[in-house]
This record gives sequence, structure tokens and C-alpha cells, in this order.
Amino acid sequence: GDSVTQMEGPVTLSEEAFLTINCTYTATGYPSLFWYVQYPGEGLQLLLKATKADDKGSNKGFEATYRKETTSFHLEKGSVQVSDSAVYFCALGGPNDYKLSFGAGTTVTVRA
Amino acid sequence: GAGVSQSPRYKVAKRGQDVALRCDPISGHVSLFWYQQALGQGPEFLTYFQNEAQLDKSGLPSDRFFAERPEGSVSTLKIQRTQQEDSAVYLCASSLGTANGYTFGSGTRLTVV
Repeated sequence: GDSVTQMEGPVTLSEEAFLTINCTYTATGYPSLFWYVQYPGEGLQLLLKATKADDKGSNKGFEATYRKETTSFHLEKGSVQVSDSAVYFCALGGPNDYKLSFGAGTTVTVRA
Repeated sequence: GAGVSQSPRYKVAKRGQDVALRCDPISGHVSLFWYQQALGQGPEFLTYFQNEAQLDKSGLPSDRFFAERPEGSVSTLKIQRTQQEDSAVYLCASSLGTANGYTFGSGTRLTVV
């Protein structure tokens, strides 16, 4: 079945460092890909998404490109802030897009 | 409402008790989903409603789990005879349509003791 594998955490960075969280997927067909973020004490929020190969999703300085050839959707941010400390989830939308398959999450802590 | 509202925020149940978890989706959202998130894991799909119709319940772990959305708005997830392995955060999400991203609620943290 469809599945997502993302980089294990935790990840600890200093402010202004470069962040990459790797995500690869296994799926039949052409899924949509998502990154969700969960800030401490809050619910899951959609960070960005891409619906077809070579699409780039971006939001709040984060970017991810849908790479069909490597089945990847890595999340990147060039200069992180303390406020980016959160748990990040990569997710894949199935054929009808209503059922999301999530990775296990990566905890990111940014220190001042 | 402005967001997806779930209640209660926290629930402690004794093993064997029945529990009911409520979800108020964003007004007008046709699609509603329930997910289960175990500690340290990503959310796992439980069930999906389109209006009042439950179109997919393939993720419900056992027949002790039951979900309903009788009027196509508020939904309730019921767990009968709770077991310790049911301890998790139960997330509700709603969407205008399946091609849109979801809006998640803050979840109900269920602890079975």
C-alpha cells in the first residue's frame, strides 16, 4: 500500500541554520504530497503541498519539490527561526486524495 | 465556526468504559475525517464521511469503534469497552472537498487506565 518514510529526529539546529527533512514515498499512481506542521500544544496545520511531478510547494520560507524520479518530497528552509520549532509530518494523498498516509514525524528544535 | 472544534480536549477512561468523542467541523465542509495518532507516531486514518454518508471505515481498528455523522455536520467517534491500546490522540479534520487540504482540530487525548 501507499506509505511515507521520513527522516527520524530529533533534529536540533541553531537559528539561521539550513534545515532539510527527507521524505520518500511509495505509491501507485500519482499521489498528492503534503507537509504538515504541529506546533507545541496545537493541531496539525497544512504547511505546503504539491499535486504533480516537478511542482514546488512553498510557504513561510519552507519549500519542497515533488520529485517523481526519486519518489521524494524533501522539506527545506534556508534560515530557521526559534518559532520553527515543531513536529513536521510528510503525508501522501491516495488516489481519491481523501485518505492521507503520514510519516512518523520529525521533531525539530531551533535554539537561539 | 472558524476552525474544527473537538471535545473533550482530554479524556481519562477506565478500561472497559465507553467513550464518545465529538467533532464540530468547519461550517459547510462536506468531508470529515477521523485519525488516530499514537504517541510518537504519525496520524493513522480511521474513517471518512461525505455529508452524512460514511464512505470509508476501513481504518477502524475493531468493531468496538463506531463513528457517525447523522446530519452531515457534527460527528461522534464512539469507542466501546476501551482498552489500554486505545490510548492515543484522536484527530478530526474537515475539508470542502477531497482535493483540498484538510483543516485539523486540536484533537482529543484519550488515556485508558
